[in-house]
Amino acid sequence: AQTVTQSQPEMSVQEAETVTLSCTYDTSESDYYLFWYKQPPSRQMILVIRQEAYKQQNATENRFSVNFQKAAKSFSLKISDSQLGDAAMYFCTVNFGNEKLTFGTGTRLTIIP
Amino acid sequence: AAGVIQSPRHLIKEKRETATLKCYPIPRHDTVYWYQQGPGQDPQFLISFYEKMQSDKGSIPDRFSAQQFSDYHSELNMSSLELGDSALYFCASSSRGGDATDTQYFGPGTRLTVL
Repeated sequence: AQTVTQSQPEMSVQEAETVTLSCTYDTSESDYYLFWYKQPPSRQMILVIRQEAYKQQNATENRFSVNFQKAAKSFSLKISDSQLGDAAMYFCTVNFGNEKLTFGTGTRLTIIP
Repeated sequence: AAGVIQSPRHLIKEKRETATLKCYPIPRHDTVYWYQQGPGQDPQFLISFYEKMQSDKGSIPDRFSAQQFSDYHSELNMSSLELGDSALYFCASSSRGGDATDTQYFGPGTRLTVL
């Protein structure tokens, strides 16, 4: 079965600090694509970062970076210098090669001023 | 940059009525996806279209149907609405012909309320 698991329903972090959101997945495929999307209170689904499974180099986008461990099937998101606007639900999402996105259950991130 | 457009943004229907949701993908995107997000849940894949042909199907009820038109916009038709159909419906689009062909960009969603 192809599944995505986020074991942290809620996280909080002080403004300007760093936080890491965890994600694991299960698949027998060797080629797939991983994403983190954020969903703020507006409910818009916003792409944060993308990682290709065949690339060993971890993706980075400004303050956002991932730690992709293919053997461990782990894909965590690190947010540096957290800002109030980062408050949102974060979904770990995988395209296992069959077009559709499989979502984790999400982690609600709160930023403490 | 142009984004995915969905209309209407909000829709209120009675049970057993019919609803039509529309999606206009990012220009030059050829693939459209529909997702349903119930309250407090993660999005669930419904159906996708590539070049006007259905390309994948998820947990879409038989009461729902969808299609993609020649201008690549898509419509999700929902009949015999039930209370449980109340949800946020997302459309996403991607392009198979360019870089990052696997990346889906989401519209703002249509919030459907069934009374």
